[in-house]
Amino acid sequence: NAGVTQTPKFQVLKTGQSMTLQCAQDMNHEYMSWYRQDPGMGLRLIHYSVGAGITDQGEVPNGYNVSRSTTEDFPLRLLSAAPSQTSVYFCASSYSAGESQHFGDGTRLSIL
Amino acid sequence: GNSVTQMEGPVTLSEEAFLTINCTYTATGYPSLFWYVQYPGEGLQLLLKATKADDKGSNKGFEATYRKETTSFHLEKGSVQVSDSAVYFCALSFYSSASKIIFGSGTRLSIRP
Repeated sequence: NAGVTQTPKFQVLKTGQSMTLQCAQDMNHEYMSWYRQDPGMGLRLIHYSVGAGITDQGEVPNGYNVSRSTTEDFPLRLLSAAPSQTSVYFCASSYSAGESQHFGDGTRLSIL
Repeated sequence: GNSVTQMEGPVTLSEEAFLTINCTYTATGYPSLFWYVQYPGEGLQLLLKATKADDKGSNKGFEATYRKETTSFHLEKGSVQVSDSAVYFCALSFYSSASKIIFGSGTRLSIRP
């Protein structure tokens, strides 16, 4: 099925480890974004991209890196995991920022 | 700056009750407005949207009208079902390639049989 695919679905890391959360979409969307969702805090934007080669910071970018080498893929890298990064991470995409977003099913990340 | 404010939850209703979830926004310009729904363990899904003043978005019995004069986009449903139990997010965005999408904090809805 077409849509936004996130991998892995679950991950447990130790403090200080690094990892990459994968996000891929097959709808030829230009706009992609990463959010984290924490209890009682809704969705907070981490980074977003308006097209291949173009990325920008969102509300909570510290500790995370992104790159956009292709239209389809938008990986999120945790450089040195910290317990404060325990969260559920969602990737989303759309034709533009003004269009409705298509969300992946999320990655549940625990940092010990 | 741009922002979205939703009524705090949780909201608990009995089946077949009338639902209203309030959403107001602050924006410079004329944003598009959205309601998303998140069922347990899933990502967000678009529920409905409106792109200009006085537009009414509707889907699955839910409705919301874009009210520019009151800067509101309240979600309503005439008769809720247990299957409507979820978290509902109001959001705004602009048709600009450099825009960010602004989400409200979400309202958890629980429907009792």
